[in-house]
Amino acid sequence: DTEVTQTPKHLVMGMTNKKSLKCEQHMGHRAMYWYKQKAKKPPELMFVYSYEKLSINESVPSRFSPECPNSSLLNLHLHALQPEDSALYLCASSQVGQGLRETQYFGPGTRLLVL
Amino acid sequence: AQKVTQAQTEISVVEKEDVTLDCVYETRDTTYYLFWYKQPPSGELVFLIRRNSFDEQNEISGRYSWNFQKSTSSFNFTITASQVVDSAVYFCALSEYYGGSQGNLIFGKGTKLSVKP
Repeated sequence: DTEVTQTPKHLVMGMTNKKSLKCEQHMGHRAMYWYKQKAKKPPELMFVYSYEKLSINESVPSRFSPECPNSSLLNLHLHALQPEDSALYLCASSQVGQGLRETQYFGPGTRLLVL
Repeated sequence: AQKVTQAQTEISVVEKEDVTLDCVYETRDTTYYLFWYKQPPSGELVFLIRRNSFDEQNEISGRYSWNFQKSTSSFNFTITASQVVDSAVYFCALSEYYGGSQGNLIFGKGTKLSVKP
């Protein structure tokens, strides 16, 4: 089973709102990722968690706050976002090991619109 | 620096035609991995194939085939007898060693394939 689930599928929020995106996987993967994808562009890496610890933060603004409460769950807390943050947010997971060869499996994404 | 180039921005074919999506990569590493992902309009990135730098054998999976040539740094993807369901954006990606134990995916800009009935 190579399924990664994400909720919600769609989210509309104002610039003063606080919301959270949720990602879940039950493949026993110990690495989880957040990507941001703008229209007609490839995904851009935001964060990587390895064994529930943040291992990579791609200089993402602090209005995005990731959290990995356990090995199956990954959250992305959103606060005071800007309209330019509107995008598709993708979660992925993979085995941890020799990182080069570990395939990342992606969820369906959350389409975020910031008004 | 590592880079993936998908020169074809958009391709349109008629159902049952064969189509090849090009991918050219740049890396100084001797060990690397290449991937293809499919992204249908629904948004999910679907993993199609992974290839390591030491295995140049071509691979076939049903209507899909991949041609890996290190001499030209290319990893091309061919769909035989295309179907409307193949309509999607296809991304080629290169895995680099980022640090720690995780690899980072370097994506090409993607090729949008439209298959008309």
